[in-house]
Amino acid sequence: DAGVIQSPRHEVTEMGQEVTLRCKPISGHNSLFWYRQTMMRGLELLIYFNNNVPIDDSGMPEDRFSAKMPNASFSTLKIQPSEPRDSAVYFCASSLQGGDQQYFGPGTRLTVT
Amino acid sequence: GENVEQHPSTLSVQEGDSAVIKCTYSDSASNYFPWYKQELGKRPQLIIDIRSNVGEKKDQRIAVTLNKTAKHFSLHITETQPEDSAVYFCAAHGRSQGNLIFGKGTKLSVKP
Repeated sequence: DAGVIQSPRHEVTEMGQEVTLRCKPISGHNSLFWYRQTMMRGLELLIYFNNNVPIDDSGMPEDRFSAKMPNASFSTLKIQPSEPRDSAVYFCASSLQGGDQQYFGPGTRLTVT
Repeated sequence: GENVEQHPSTLSVQEGDSAVIKCTYSDSASNYFPWYKQELGKRPQLIIDIRSNVGEKKDQRIAVTLNKTAKHFSLHITETQPEDSAVYFCAAHGRSQGNLIFGKGTKLSVKP
């Protein structure tokens, strides 16, 4: 298995632009998680899905952030409009079930100028 | 909900010494406690985990202990090596939640 796949690996965009991050979980995993990591705030859970259904989005910072999981093999995290303070590394992770070991993707490093 | 506290935030040791990182959790129903290692510029990766039905687990130079009564668990690294330098995260999962709650991380530096 290729593990969790994320794209793009790096994204540089200007303030106000829409950003879409993509994630393909490990095949057979039922839970998917989006995290944001910064030096100041550490690793923050943004949202997670069980069987493609959003379970907890309390970590989503603002309405500018949205996430979807249209099927078991694909999820997106969208920021519209983006702001410089959104600059961070965004990780996607998946697990067999919600409380099991999570496997992280390589992350997307987002820079908003 | 669950809350996980991790200490210290930074730890510097000499090569060959031991390192200990401690975490406390709030949800007495928590039953799974993984530890992740994140090297600079890379993703967090699981290094060891423990479930609430055991008190200690060891894998070569790494061990984790769990005290359910006190609601704390610790990571022990013996004979540290420079390649152990990384950020370590503890996490806890409670039956009342569907996800892991992570500590803030400990930056471990092993000096040769």
